[in-house]
Amino acid sequence: DVKVTQSSRYLVKRTGEKVFLECVQDMDHENMFWYRQDPGLGLRLIYFSYDVKMKEKGDIPEGYSVSREKKERFSLILESASTNQTSMYLCASSSPDRAGQFFGPGTRLTVL
Amino acid sequence: AQRVTQPEKLLSVFKGAPVELKCNYSYSGSPELFWYVQYSRQRLQLLLRHISRESIKGFTADLNKGETSFHLKKPFAQEEDSAMYYCARGDSNYQLIWGAGTKLIIKP
Repeated sequence: DVKVTQSSRYLVKRTGEKVFLECVQDMDHENMFWYRQDPGLGLRLIYFSYDVKMKEKGDIPEGYSVSREKKERFSLILESASTNQTSMYLCASSSPDRAGQFFGPGTRLTVL
Repeated sequence: AQRVTQPEKLLSVFKGAPVELKCNYSYSGSPELFWYVQYSRQRLQLLLRHISRESIKGFTADLNKGETSFHLKKPFAQEEDSAMYYCARGDSNYQLIWGAGTKLIIKP
């Protein structure tokens, strides 16, 4: 069973704080993804990574950065959190065999 | 733009009734299509892939290239099918293009 874990289920931060969301997968997947999930908007891709130290912008990268120093770990960073970044953040991983993406439980971030 | 469209934000049916969740995509080639499901307080999980032509939890989905559709169907809905359903299409660089999702409510 693929296991994708995220560091927090719930997080409350203040405007302007730096926020780190961590994601770890244990299936040696090359590809990892960060999404935000908002009602009525579905999943929107923030960043993805297809290899260690490689990253590509998704559809909504503004206000976010990522880090992938190890294959199993993909971090999402909010440099200066804002209230419009209040959302559910989902991490996913996949292998090149196109079997689909496997998701973590999500982190519900509230920025006050 | 390459899109996946789920026209219904909310679908409500009675237990035992047939269910069809609609998905249309825009793509000129042979698409890779997926249905994902998210039950309340659970993680998003893969329900089925068109390439495997499987039936999971009684759900099936048939690719109709002529209509560019991949509708999800189940002949007899059960209460435990209540969930959020997302249709997605595989992109060339391992990304998925997502529909906005349909919330399915099964009434007792």
